[in-house]
Amino acid sequence: DTAVSQTPKYLVTQMGNDKSIKCEQNLGHDTMYWYKQDSKKFLKIMFSYNNKELIINETVPNRFSPKSPDKAHLNLHINSLELGDSAVYFCASSYGTGSRNYGYTFGSGTRLTVV
Amino acid sequence: SQQGEEDPQALSIQEGENATMNCSYKTSINNLQWYRQNSGRGLVHLILIRSNEREKHSGRLRVTLDTSKKSSSLLITASRAADTASYFCATGPSGGSNYKLTFGKGTLLTVNP
Repeated sequence: DTAVSQTPKYLVTQMGNDKSIKCEQNLGHDTMYWYKQDSKKFLKIMFSYNNKELIINETVPNRFSPKSPDKAHLNLHINSLELGDSAVYFCASSYGTGSRNYGYTFGSGTRLTVV
Repeated sequence: SQQGEEDPQALSIQEGENATMNCSYKTSINNLQWYRQNSGRGLVHLILIRSNEREKHSGRLRVTLDTSKKSSSLLITASRAADTASYFCATGPSGGSNYKLTFGKGTLLTVNP
């Protein structure tokens, strides 16, 4: 029944490793997002896909690469992890890019700790 | 740069009291949304108010929007311990085809039983 599900929920890894976070939504939304929440709870958008097309690509190191195999899935791959990448990463989804009538549905987050 | 700024950063009240949180933003918006985040969880959408609306209600929530002052407030009436959470405002830009929400830093609300 989970609307937006992310895996894993927790990820502890060493510097320099490569890791992936997966996200799936069963709401029929056509737009998905990755947000990063830092230790001060500030949420910053990273990427957005609409129907598998990248539409938002904020200033994010190119070690971060999103992939959307279909409109229900959006994955985030991170290469050469650094200490500063430690944060909570949230996936979200919504109807349409131009839709201004609906809120986002968020996943429960992936807490990434780089040691 | 971040769009919304919530005020206060933290608020502690007793159960049954009302809680008011404010949000200010900088640029033109299409709508403003409020979200709740319980500790260790994802954000939950509470309410959306469009730029041509001034007030909106949903259960114990009341949201106002003043576009001339670029500000919004969220009022939670008759608060409960379960309302303890961080509350974020988020703004949707006017114009442009790539719609994205920009979040503030949030207000941490603690409701004491």
